[in-house]
Amino acid sequence: DQQVKQNSPSLSVQEGRISILNCDYTNSMFDYFLWYKKYPAEGPTFLISISSIKDKNEDGRFTVFLNKSAKHLSLHIVPSQPGDSAVYFCALKGPAGAGSYQLTFGKGTKLSVIP
Amino acid sequence: DAGVIQSPRHEVTEMGQEVTLRCKPISGHNSLFWYRQTMMRGLELLIYFNNNVPIDDSGMPEDRFSAKMPNASFSTLKIQPSEPRDSAVYFCASSLYNNRVNEQFFGPGTRLTVL
Repeated sequence: DQQVKQNSPSLSVQEGRISILNCDYTNSMFDYFLWYKKYPAEGPTFLISISSIKDKNEDGRFTVFLNKSAKHLSLHIVPSQPGDSAVYFCALKGPAGAGSYQLTFGKGTKLSVIP
Repeated sequence: DAGVIQSPRHEVTEMGQEVTLRCKPISGHNSLFWYRQTMMRGLELLIYFNNNVPIDDSGMPEDRFSAKMPNASFSTLKIQPSEPRDSAVYFCASSLYNNRVNEQFFGPGTRLTVL
């Protein structure tokens, strides 16, 4: 039973437009939500995160939105650039205490930004 | 500033052989994670060390898998004997446990192929 779901395995977007990547989860005990980006033949790299007490966090072209009632997380990239083409993983961290070290990853969404 | 270092980057071996994967975490980090990535299951946590001590090995698939962390700067993941279904990309990641966000820094991975 997947606790974290990224329902779109792939997404294609024109350069300059907005990319929206989505992530749904089932466990309301997660307290931090992260996005990682992965290029081929490299390990995932941290992109942006949000605490469960917030609903939005912005860093340059990247904005993460959290809707706790819907148990939904999204990453907006605007404007999208060809260098953003990569696989994006959402990763959720458990609350303080047992399991607080663990990140639960979605299966990823492959973003292709078309020039 | 060196990131997480993994070796080898690629390993091809025959069924039944012993395989040892190596990881050097980022200096100063006190947590180390071994993950396995497959198409079917995505990124799965195999084992987690904190201050060189294994804390959670519930993700280790079976007794053929073992991991050690003899000191703060080195860890190994061993598979003996290896089987074709062990073919995957194995990632090592490290983090600083007192970081509330638990941002994990990943190595480039080892692509293992068992024939």
